[in-house]
Amino acid sequence: SAVISQKPSRDICQRGTSLTIQCQVDSQVTMMFWYRQQPGQSLTLIATANQGSEATYESGFVIDKFPISRPNLTFSTLTVSNMSPEDSSIYLCSAGTGMGEKLFFGSGTQLSVL
Amino acid sequence: GQQLNQSPQSMFIQEGEDVSMNCTSSSIFNTWLWYKQDPGEGPVLLIALYKAGELTSNGRLTAQFGITRKDSFLNISASIPSDVGIYFCAGPYTGTASKLTFGTGTRLQVTL
Repeated sequence: SAVISQKPSRDICQRGTSLTIQCQVDSQVTMMFWYRQQPGQSLTLIATANQGSEATYESGFVIDKFPISRPNLTFSTLTVSNMSPEDSSIYLCSAGTGMGEKLFFGSGTQLSVL
Repeated sequence: GQQLNQSPQSMFIQEGEDVSMNCTSSSIFNTWLWYKQDPGEGPVLLIALYKAGELTSNGRLTAQFGITRKDSFLNISASIPSDVGIYFCAGPYTGTASKLTFGTGTRLQVTL
């Protein structure tokens, strides 16, 4: 299994600002993903963080709003840009290795936008 | 896209009771995963299923991979207060083993 550390764990931000969330894995992993969990809802995949190249975004999510970096096999960041109250959610980093593997999750970042 | 529907949406049970929940899909899955999410935490993997008809246990938890490959079931025996949380089923996106789509969730609350 992989231990995933996310920070910040929570933040309260003003409308129009941006927040960068960091995700650190304790071992090298092939796959890293970012999910969003809106209040009382399930998890929705935002994008796959690709090491050394641009992230792959799911339908409804765009790079300008959610820029993602992954400079190496153990670290990734997600930025929530030009925030509005609708961006208030839990953002979760996940990671795994190999094919058909199980994913492990960080504790999430609880974001509130005023 | 793929959609996973879980039922029940929520349930209140007495401590010591057995719990059953299920997850259904409109399309076939080759892998079923069950996660539990505690408040303020990320989901934690409980059980993974890889073959139709497979029955797998993890302590008081038992999960089954449906024969049609379009459903899965999770049972919890003799529930205790720490079973409280949200249970999610998950399966891989078509053609991509690692990307997961999650079910709608079943919220479990236990009364003493």
